[in-house]
Amino acid sequence: GQQLNQSPQSMFIQEGEDVSMNCTSSSIFNTWLWYKQDPGEGPVLLIALYKAGELTSNGRLTAQFGITRKDSFLNISASIPSDVGIYFCAGFPSGNTPLVFGKGTRLSVIA
Amino acid sequence: DTAVSQTPKYLVTQMGNDKSIKCEQNLGHDTMYWYKQDSKKFLKIMFSYNNKELIINETVPNRFSPKSPDKAHLNLHINSLELGDSAVYFCASSRRLAGRYNEQFFGPGTRLTVL
Repeated sequence: GQQLNQSPQSMFIQEGEDVSMNCTSSSIFNTWLWYKQDPGEGPVLLIALYKAGELTSNGRLTAQFGITRKDSFLNISASIPSDVGIYFCAGFPSGNTPLVFGKGTRLSVIA
Repeated sequence: DTAVSQTPKYLVTQMGNDKSIKCEQNLGHDTMYWYKQDSKKFLKIMFSYNNKELIINETVPNRFSPKSPDKAHLNLHINSLELGDSAVYFCASSRRLAGRYNEQFFGPGTRLTVL
């Protein structure tokens, strides 16, 4: 099946630093979604992207839908301790197919 | 609160038992899903129901049987539980427009431990 390559797998950063993570695919995706999962909870939708080139912000988070439709990135500015968690990219491939998830980026913030 | 809810939150059981997990959403969505998250946190879709009809059935042992009594509920019944079934199971829901999937909202998960 289709796969999403998400990197990095994990990150350790200092509080206040900016963070960047990305997701790539070998095939075109119609929609990109970014989720965050806190320990013991379900994934929570952060940002949804629907058009190639689209850049969307949600507070300190910014995500972009790559113009090739094969990648997306998520940036977090001025990280704080509550940003800790696992961030998943997910996307709908072309056509009527179910959501595909990346393997997640585990973010740790050192105060 | 509007949300996707699951019960139970934790489920510990012996190998060979049969158990069920319940899911309800009050978001007015017409499509519901079950996902399995393994110990490496990889999320994999198991089933999807749209308007009570099964539309996705990934390669899942037939010991797993979903049931959707109405659009707001999707339950998961597991027969003859095995050690490898231990995982976190997430229910999710979305609205399906023009035959296409849309962003999904997840429940809090059910951590199943098979001893």
